[in-house]
Amino acid sequence: QQQVKQSPQSLIVQKGGIPIINCAYENTAFDYFPWYQQFPGKGPALLIAIRPDVSEKKEGRFTISFNKSAKQFSLHIMDSQPGDSATYFCAASEDQFYFGTGTSLTVIP
Amino acid sequence: KAGVTQTPRYLIKTRGQQVTLSCSPISGHRSVSWYQQTPGQGLQFLFEYFSETQRNKGNFPGRFSGRQFSNSRSEMNVSTLELGDSALYLCASSPTQNYGYTFGSGTRLTVV
Repeated sequence: QQQVKQSPQSLIVQKGGIPIINCAYENTAFDYFPWYQQFPGKGPALLIAIRPDVSEKKEGRFTISFNKSAKQFSLHIMDSQPGDSATYFCAASEDQFYFGTGTSLTVIP
Repeated sequence: KAGVTQTPRYLIKTRGQQVTLSCSPISGHRSVSWYQQTPGQGLQFLFEYFSETQRNKGNFPGRFSGRQFSNSRSEMNVSTLELGDSALYLCASSPTQNYGYTFGSGTRLTVV
């Protein structure tokens, strides 16, 4: 059973666009929600993370929106660049991390 | 500050053999976790160690095992390799539980 459901599986946007990746979870005990970015041949790198006591967190061009009542959270990438082309994973954690299935993002110049 | 180091980077083994992968966490990180990454299954949790104790274990057969040493370095072992074990094996460390992981670049295992 997939603890964290991520969508879409792939996404193509033009440079400057705002790709949005969504994740949903069921376990209300989850209390830490990170996003990871992975380039080919590399391990995932922590991008940004949020705890359920806040509804939004921004770090540079990356924003997490968190909706506790809907049990959903999303990643927004402002002013996307070709260098943002990568696979993005959401995750949720209580005492163990559960990862989404990943979203392959392509930013077209 | 050195990152998470995994060795070897690439490995080719034959069915039925066994393999040991190594992970050196970031200095000061006491939690080490292992993941298997495949195109079809995504990131699958193998196990987590903290202060030499296995704290959590994923849904993998007993052929997959691991351990952590007193200096927090960790190894995972896969015995009786199967073709389906071909994957990228990722190690991640964190200072404590339920805190952002730092992943290594992984070991690419190919079973032929």
